[in-house]
Amino acid sequence: QLVLTQSPSASASLGASVKLTCTLSSGHSSYAIAWHQQQPEKGPRYLMKLNSDGSHSKGDGIPDRFSGSSSGAERYLTISSLQSEDEADYYCQTWGTGIRVVFGGGTKLTVL
Amino acid sequence: EVQLVESGGGLVQPGGSLRLSCAASGFTFSSYDMHWVRQATGKGLEWVSAIGTAGDTYYPGSVKGRFTISRENAKNSLYLQMNSLRAGDTAVYYCARDARSGGTGPLDYWGQGTLVTVSS
Repeated sequence: QLVLTQSPSASASLGASVKLTCTLSSGHSSYAIAWHQQQPEKGPRYLMKLNSDGSHSKGDGIPDRFSGSSSGAERYLTISSLQSEDEADYYCQTWGTGIRVVFGGGTKLTVL
Repeated sequence: EVQLVESGGGLVQPGGSLRLSCAASGFTFSSYDMHWVRQATGKGLEWVSAIGTAGDTYYPGSVKGRFTISRENAKNSLYLQMNSLRAGDTAVYYCARDARSGGTGPLDYWGQGTLVTVSS
C-alpha cells in the first residue's frame, strides 16, 4: 500500500534552515513526490516535484530558499533563511496508477 | 495566470445533495486532468476525485457511488455532484490541476476552496 509518512510538527528559528521529511512506504522508494505549502487560512500552494534521484522542478514563483533532495525512500524539503511567512503546513503528495493521489499527513512548521 | 475558482458550497442536511463548480482560466482546460481534494477543519488533505481529459473518472472508496466528477470543456468548468452527504463530508473542497497530461502527477495549481457543511 502506497503511504506517505510525515512528522506532525517541526520548528526552527527565523533566519535558520529546516529540513522536512516525507517517507515513502516499503516497495515505493522509486516514486516521485510533490511538496505543497499551506499557509493559515489559505489553499495549498505547489512548491515542487521531487524525483527519486533528487532532481526537482519548482512551481511558478517559488523562491530559491526552497529546495528538495532524496535518499532512498525519503524525500526532503529544505527551507533556508526562514522567514515568518514560511510558518505553514507542508504536505507531500504522490501518485500511482489506480491509486491516483495520496497525501502525507502534513508537517506543521513553526518559525521561532 | 492560472486561476481556479470554486463555488457552490454551503449548508446541507445529512442525506442531501450539493453541486460544486470550479471555473478555470489562464490555461487550456481541456488538456489537463483535474482533481477535487477536501480538507476537514484541522485535518490534512484528502483526495476526493479525478477526471481525465477523455472524461475517465476516479474515486477513492470513501466517496465512490455518492460523488460524481464531471467537466464541461466548452465552459472551462469542473464539477462535483455530491449525493447522500454525511457529516463526515464536511470540509473545504479544493479543485486542483494535474501537472501531468494523460496521467496522474503533481497537483500544480489549487483554488481557494469552498466550504461544505453537512448538518441538521
